[in-house]
Amino acid sequence: QVQLVESGGGLVKPGGSLRLSCAASGFTFSDYYMSWIRQAPGKGLEWVSYISSSGSTIYYADSVKGRFTISRDNAKNSLYLQMNSLRAEDTAVYYCARGKQENYYGMDVWGQGTTVTVSS
Amino acid sequence: SYVLTQPPSVSVAPGQTARITCGGNNIGSKSVHWYQQKPGQAPVLVVYDDSDRPSGIPERFSGSNSGNTATLTISRVEAGDEADYYCQVWDSSSDHPDWVFGGGTKLTVL
Repeated sequence: QVQLVESGGGLVKPGGSLRLSCAASGFTFSDYYMSWIRQAPGKGLEWVSYISSSGSTIYYADSVKGRFTISRDNAKNSLYLQMNSLRAEDTAVYYCARGKQENYYGMDVWGQGTTVTVSS
Repeated sequence: SYVLTQPPSVSVAPGQTARITCGGNNIGSKSVHWYQQKPGQAPVLVVYDDSDRPSGIPERFSGSNSGNTATLTISRVEAGDEADYYCQVWDSSSDHPDWVFGGGTKLTVL
């Protein structure tokens, strides 16, 4: 079945790094753009980053620009988020989600999330 | 940047109709998507492109969008509809596109 599974979360000290992964299955991964969305404890959803289906176009939220790097490997059906210079305010559940077209259709499949905790 | 405004909470009795609004400047010109999130679970898309439903979503869920307000309507509300609901748009008005979420509305079934 169509599925996204995140991994790589954990506890990291401020200033540290972490790499999240999102494994896709059950659909043609290279047909979809992918995004990372996060949710801080008790808070709402915040879009973090976007990568086009081919990987040629990338965008970041201002809150993570210069610190996070999104990438994908269509041969491995995988999405990644390299997070550097982590701050306490990056503590959140991180979800990957797919979309068919940026302005339409919404993000129709989400992973279960992986938790990132930034604390000393 | 573009801002979406939702009421923090909406309460409704079982069997009644719940309406959750999402305000934004000329939001009627954008495609609005709605997500349902139950505690401890990932968000689920319940309405896309203002008023379309993904397969598997009950017809009780519907949406509309005009002017400065989009609305998610849940008819014949059930206890299982209790959740947080988020609206979302794609905004390309700034120097780079943004996937903007509203602050979320907690739906309580009385």
